[in-house]
Amino acid sequence: NAGVTQTPKFQVLKTGQSMTLQCAQDMNHEYMSWYRQDPGMGLRLIHYSVGAGITDQGEVPNGYNVSRSTTEDFPLRLLSAAPSQTSVYFCASSRQGRGWDNQPQHFGDGTRLSIL
Amino acid sequence: KQEVTQIPAALSVPEGENLVLNCSFTDSAIYNLQWFRQDPGKGLTSLLLIQSSQREQTSGRLNASLDKSSGRSTLYIAASQPGDSATYLCAVTISQGGSEKLVFGKGTKLTVNP
Repeated sequence: NAGVTQTPKFQVLKTGQSMTLQCAQDMNHEYMSWYRQDPGMGLRLIHYSVGAGITDQGEVPNGYNVSRSTTEDFPLRLLSAAPSQTSVYFCASSRQGRGWDNQPQHFGDGTRLSIL
Repeated sequence: KQEVTQIPAALSVPEGENLVLNCSFTDSAIYNLQWFRQDPGKGLTSLLLIQSSQREQTSGRLNASLDKSSGRSTLYIAASQPGDSATYLCAVTISQGGSEKLVFGKGTKLTVNP
C-alpha cells in the first residue's frame, strides 16, 4: 500500500516556466488537497477536491490550477512560475466524512520546489 | 476566521521527561482536531484525531485532550525518547463553502536530548 505518492521530490525552475506536480493515492479516498508549507507561515491550502470532476479553491489559489479526472490523481499545475512560489508542496487525501466521522488525513512526502 | 496557535514554537527536553504541547484555536465550531508529526524532509503523519464530541484520545505514550469550549488542546507525551524529536502540528477541521477544510498551527519543534 503506497499511500500518497508525490513526484518529483525536488525541482528547480526558472521564472516563467510551467510545470505539473503529480499526486496519486491508492486508498480510494474521495478528498484530496494541496498545501504549501513556508517558514513562519505554516501549511496553507491551495486547492482541494471532494471527488472526481469537482475542485475548489483554498486559501492561496492564485498561480495554480488543478483538475481531478480520476479518484486516484490530483495534479497541481504552476502556470508561470514566480520566485514567490518557492516552497514545499504537500498533497493529502482522506475519506470524505460528514464532519462527525472525518478520517485522518494522509500526506505525501512533499515536493521541494525552487524558482530562480 | 479560524486561527490555530501553538506554543511554544520550540521545546528541548532531556530524555525520559513527560511533556505537554499546547494548541489553541479561536472558533469552537470545529468538527475535529488532529495532531500530526513531521520529521525533517518528510510529510505529515497523523498521530491522533479527536472528534468534537470527544474529550481525549490515547495511542501508546501519547494522549491528546480537547476542550472545545475554551478552544484548547494538549498533546501529552510520556517518557519522551530521542526518537520523538520532530515538529508537532495541530489542525482543526472546519466547515467552509459547503466542504470541510483543515486549518493548521505553525507547529512546535521538539528536541529530546539523550
